[in-house]
Amino acid sequence: QVQLQESGPGLGKPSETLLLTCTVSGGSISEFHWSWMRLPAGEGLDWIGRIYRNGNTNYNPDPSLKGRVTLSVDTSRNQLSLKLNSLTAADTGIYYCARVSPSETVDLWGQGTRVVVSS
Amino acid sequence: DIVLTQSPDSLAVSLGERATITCKSSQSVLYSPNYKNHLAWYQQKPGQPPRLLISWASTRESGVPDRFSGSGSGTDFTLTISSLQAEDVAVYYCQQYYTTSWTFGQGTKVEIK
Repeated sequence: QVQLQESGPGLGKPSETLLLTCTVSGGSISEFHWSWMRLPAGEGLDWIGRIYRNGNTNYNPDPSLKGRVTLSVDTSRNQLSLKLNSLTAADTGIYYCARVSPSETVDLWGQGTRVVVSS
Repeated sequence: DIVLTQSPDSLAVSLGERATITCKSSQSVLYSPNYKNHLAWYQQKPGQPPRLLISWASTRESGVPDRFSGSGSGTDFTLTISSLQAEDVAVYYCQQYYTTSWTFGQGTKVEIK
């Protein structure tokens, strides 16, 4: 049974860079496409981006995220990574990694990792 | 980008009564080649990640109780909980996967009256 577990520093400072990882257990990361979402404090779900099996990526073009996100995969560690630079308080929230199903929905989510951006 | 607008933002329903949530898309999410609506519904309970309830607008996922149903096509969709149970208290989101830039509705909070 595949499970996802996000991890990260929990706290980030404005203007700095956030690095989150997601460890995939119980299955090979190479078999699926993967995505990241976030739940900003007091708001609804945001899609951050997707990384395909072949390593290609696409990102949310919304101005709040555009140009600040980098997704990557480490197949040797079975891990996904999310890098978000130029942090602001608006990036505070819960970040989820997730598996993209063959039908392009999200059929498996991690438990999420909370990020607070504050000086 | 496709904008999804849910209504209402919140609703309170008595136990055993029907709850209805609508999701309106700014453009059609009906994909002509497969004649499928690329729209999903998720449930998020407090402190938990979202859970996929329905894909293709009306296909219930395995293990989802049959009191949950989805309907609609093109730009207008509905999630119905036919008989609300206490464990259905959650925020519900629609999501389109018609484009590679996914978008979610703003969410509808369902509570017990």
